[in-house]
Amino acid sequence: SQKIEQNSEALNIQEGKTATLTCNYTNYSPAYLQWYRQDPGRGPVFLLLIRENEKEKRKERLKVTFDTTLKQSLFHITASQPADSATYLCALEIGDKIIFGKGTRLHILP
Amino acid sequence: KAGVTQTPRYLIKTRGQQVTLSCSPISGHRSVSWYQQTPGQGLQFLFEYFSETQRNKGNFPGRFSGRQFSNSRSEMNVSTLELGDSALYLCASSTGGFGDTQYFGPGTRLTVL
Repeated sequence: SQKIEQNSEALNIQEGKTATLTCNYTNYSPAYLQWYRQDPGRGPVFLLLIRENEKEKRKERLKVTFDTTLKQSLFHITASQPADSATYLCALEIGDKIIFGKGTRLHILP
Repeated sequence: KAGVTQTPRYLIKTRGQQVTLSCSPISGHRSVSWYQQTPGQGLQFLFEYFSETQRNKGNFPGRFSGRQFSNSRSEMNVSTLELGDSALYLCASSTGGFGDTQYFGPGTRLTVL
């Protein structure tokens, strides 16, 4: 069955450094992959979408890569700030459904 | 443009009861998807409605059902509540196109005692 794994339950990064989050998947070839941010007590907020024929996508301090051979996406936040602390979810299109990973909690330490 | 709204925000029920949750999508959006979020399982897809028809369904028992009205508002119903149904229930709206961004509501926190 389809499995989506995000690299760890919690990631602590020093302010100003680059945070890198990983999303691995198995048994499927999604047409696109999305990244969302979720703050406590709130619904997820869409950040970026990357399609299977795109290697990299950028938006301000955010960068996403998509390696369909490795079945992996990397999500980077450069010049990280305490306000970037949140849970980050990756989501894959699978058979017209959007399936989410369990998320990685990111803490940016001042 | 107003965002996705969900009511109620918090709900406490006892085992065996049934519950109805409501979701009002962004104006113009015809797709509404429902998700259950728990610490152990993460965000799990329940079902999606598009133009009043269920278009996709996740792997949840038949106690979980939904519907969508002509104004795209959607309701989700859970019958015969179990303790394990305690979760944050999120709805998300979109235009319904392939790869379209989903806009989530704040969720309804359901506690089953």
